[in-house]
Amino acid sequence: DTGVSQDPRHKITKRGQNVTFRCDPISEHNRLYWYRQTLGQGPEFLTYFQNEAQLEKSRLLSDRFSAERPKGSFSTLEIQRTEQGDSAMYLCASSLVPSDTQYFGPGTRLTVL
Amino acid sequence: QKEVEQDPGPLSVPEGAIVSLNCTYSNSAFQYFMWYRQYSRKGPELLMYTYSSGNKEDGRFTAQVDKSSKYISLFIRDSQPSDSATYLCAIGSAGNQFYFGTGTSLTVIP
Repeated sequence: DTGVSQDPRHKITKRGQNVTFRCDPISEHNRLYWYRQTLGQGPEFLTYFQNEAQLEKSRLLSDRFSAERPKGSFSTLEIQRTEQGDSAMYLCASSLVPSDTQYFGPGTRLTVL
Repeated sequence: QKEVEQDPGPLSVPEGAIVSLNCTYSNSAFQYFMWYRQYSRKGPELLMYTYSSGNKEDGRFTAQVDKSSKYISLFIRDSQPSDSATYLCAIGSAGNQFYFGTGTSLTVIP
């Protein structure tokens, strides 16, 4: 399967802990996006990369959130000092410029207790 | 004003019905229009995408874009129980973030 993959699929953590999620995009795709989705809402944009460069960050991405794409392939999203409000589905998508049609992974469901 | 507005439903139809799902958007510069289907606790699955006004058909699905009214629609013909899901519209411009609607929950009753 050459689709977008995400790991882990589920994460339960206690408030105050740090968590890291990984996304592996479709291999030839040069853009990678992170979104957050809460129940009953559509995905909300967090940030995106073109190759290894982080080109845009949403105001939703507080200083507790950091994302990297060190070699322009996989990406990680880290949340430090998690809060209960961080509980959500974290989605990764990738696309190939110039079409920018985004293909999503299965998501990582985070529960902060 | 939100960038994208979508009627959240829920929508419940009998099998075989024609379903119409709609979104409006605020920025006339938007040029990419996509529809995704999302099953419970899964990632969104791309159904249709288009870059221009008019209709695009793929099997039982037709995407319609009216840029003058800033209005997009997805039509599902001969709806099936397996079409029961949440449908999300996504709208944006190349090189910029995409905006998603809140999703419309659809149930097709056998």
